[in-house]
Amino acid sequence: AAGVIQSPRHLIKEKRETATLKCYPIPRHDTVYWYQQGPGQDPQFLISFYEKMQSDKGSIPDRFSAQQFSDYHSELNMSSLELGDSALYFCASSLGLAAKNIQYFGAGTRLSVL
Amino acid sequence: DAKTTQPNSMESNEEEPVHLPCNHSTISGTDYIHWYRQLPSQGPEYVIHGLTSNVNNRMASLAIAEDRKSSTLILHRATLRDAAVYYCILRDDNTGKLIFGQGTTLQVKP
Repeated sequence: AAGVIQSPRHLIKEKRETATLKCYPIPRHDTVYWYQQGPGQDPQFLISFYEKMQSDKGSIPDRFSAQQFSDYHSELNMSSLELGDSALYFCASSLGLAAKNIQYFGAGTRLSVL
Repeated sequence: DAKTTQPNSMESNEEEPVHLPCNHSTISGTDYIHWYRQLPSQGPEYVIHGLTSNVNNRMASLAIAEDRKSSTLILHRATLRDAAVYYCILRDDNTGKLIFGQGTTLQVKP
């Protein structure tokens, strides 16, 4: 079965550069979530989209923005990168926002900021 | 968001059952209890979820206390591949996000 696809898997950037992370949800899933996991930490919610509209926002820096496109894929844009942005970034998708719905996670993008 | 409390770590022997507890004394009537796990270097993975009744699936069982203030994830026969961080998460319909708490790191000994 098709899973959530994230690209790239690994990304190395310099401070103050920009990065774009992509997420392709499971076919027919209309909801995408982004999470950030720092070294030795638990995943933290960043932002989510339902039917191409932002549905919720967590502790996402102003330097980050995201959107969901007409084909339901999502992109997380990160500007003015800082060393502290080095982390694993996970995308998850689900069918709707309901509390009983399952979120399926991608393998993640490992971002290293040097 | 309602919070959960889990032990930091647990150990189990391979082929034996494992009971992972979770306390959620502030749970509301509409909160679903979800369990996810994260294997090393992988994304979180759904395990099981329930509202009021006990639930079984191919991966595990979920036992929910009658007052819903606690629950237990049961792995019937632990394997080495079950070594992971297990997260107990409450979700309501107001937000779809998952709020990951501390989780329980499960070690499985051969």
